[in-house]
Amino acid sequence: GQNIDQPTEMTATEGAIVQINCTYQTSGFNGLFWYQQHAGEAPTFLSYNVLDGLEEKGRFSSFLSRSKGYSYLLLKELQMKDSASYLCAPSDSNYQLIWGAGTKLIIKP
Amino acid sequence: GAVVSQHPSWVICKSGTSVKIECRSLDFQATTMFWYRQFPKQSLMLMATSNEGSKATYEQGVEKDKFLINHASLTLSTLTVTSAHPEDSSFYICSARGGTSGFSYEQYFGPGTRLTVT
Repeated sequence: GQNIDQPTEMTATEGAIVQINCTYQTSGFNGLFWYQQHAGEAPTFLSYNVLDGLEEKGRFSSFLSRSKGYSYLLLKELQMKDSASYLCAPSDSNYQLIWGAGTKLIIKP
Repeated sequence: GAVVSQHPSWVICKSGTSVKIECRSLDFQATTMFWYRQFPKQSLMLMATSNEGSKATYEQGVEKDKFLINHASLTLSTLTVTSAHPEDSSFYICSARGGTSGFSYEQYFGPGTRLTVT
């Protein structure tokens, strides 16, 4: 079957660094997306990984290991506005995104 | 970047009536559009996938006669909730995809439509 595993909730301090881990099992694989979703809003795109390694984009970086079925999203210099849910969404053989419940990130001053 | 709009942003309707939600890709041609539903504090649930000019493919458990999807053009898809009931109250989100290769198959999300059925 297809499965996504992320922590339900994480708490971090403003200005710090946090890593959100994601393990997945899919039928086929065509890359993995990370989305940010603020409460009451639609998801917005953060990153896409299709090859192993680290992709850096400003304060956000995303890592992928296809052999381990593992990815993480790294957020640096946390700001209060980063409080949101972070969704790990791998793409299966049909290019369909598989969605988990996401990780709710709480930033404290 | 690619922009997807949804209309209306929110709607309140009476039980038994029908509601139509529009999803438009504003600056690209969407070969595929997706309709999701999300209940509070729950994950996105894919309802159906539609390709322009063909019938939508519904996920298991989603009633196709209740949730009518029309993808009439490469920039417009509509979802009609027929004979709405209070349990249909939810956040409905559409997304659009321009292609199936590499980055072009990223899904761009609309802002969502909050439906409340009284």
